[in-house]
Amino acid sequence: DAKTTQPNSMESNEEEPVHLPCNHSTISGTDYIHWYRQLPSQGPEYVIHGLTSNVNNRMASLAIAEDRKSSTLILHRATLRDAAVYYCILHSYGGSQGNLIFGKGTKLSVKP
Amino acid sequence: DGGITQSPKYLFRKEGQNVTLSCEQNLNHDAMYWYRQDPGQGLRLIYYSQIVNDFQKGDIAEGYSVSREKKESFPLTVTSAQKNPTAFYLCASSISTNYNEQFFGPGTRLTVL
Repeated sequence: DAKTTQPNSMESNEEEPVHLPCNHSTISGTDYIHWYRQLPSQGPEYVIHGLTSNVNNRMASLAIAEDRKSSTLILHRATLRDAAVYYCILHSYGGSQGNLIFGKGTKLSVKP
Repeated sequence: DGGITQSPKYLFRKEGQNVTLSCEQNLNHDAMYWYRQDPGQGLRLIYYSQIVNDFQKGDIAEGYSVSREKKESFPLTVTSAQKNPTAFYLCASSISTNYNEQFFGPGTRLTVL
């Protein structure tokens, strides 16, 4: 699985949008882009995933660059409960292992 | 409610003792995983299982053992051979190893005294 690069930390104000960037310049054509988040002392939680097109769900939006070398997770209105570590992960399917490779992620702080 | 449960939430063990961490899921998922997380770090794969009675080593399997006798259960034993067992242990499951979303349990924090 290819590697991703994320900022170590970001800050946001409550009720404002947050854009969390992720670079993945060595992404292959079969890599899906996944985002998970982990609240303190809890297990990670799936947020969203995509391949080429932008994706929206109830939690967030995922904007994928045309060349797929970068992506951005968008939280439209940050709340205090969104304070967590956000992981950007690339994963190909078809292999037997299936595990996700988690880096250190971006620690998001939300100020009231 | 469907989900993954891990018990206990906190576990203390003396050096040299084996300890077993429980992981149960009622999501009818075929694939299950064990990850380890150290402070400030990402998750690392210990073992995974694609189906009942089958399991494979992950990246850091040394000092650990697992079993998968039932679809719902995937217990992890941390043996005395594991040099640095103090960590946060997370269990996850997915429909299969080819499926997008993994569901994680709440984790077990193991401390070796």
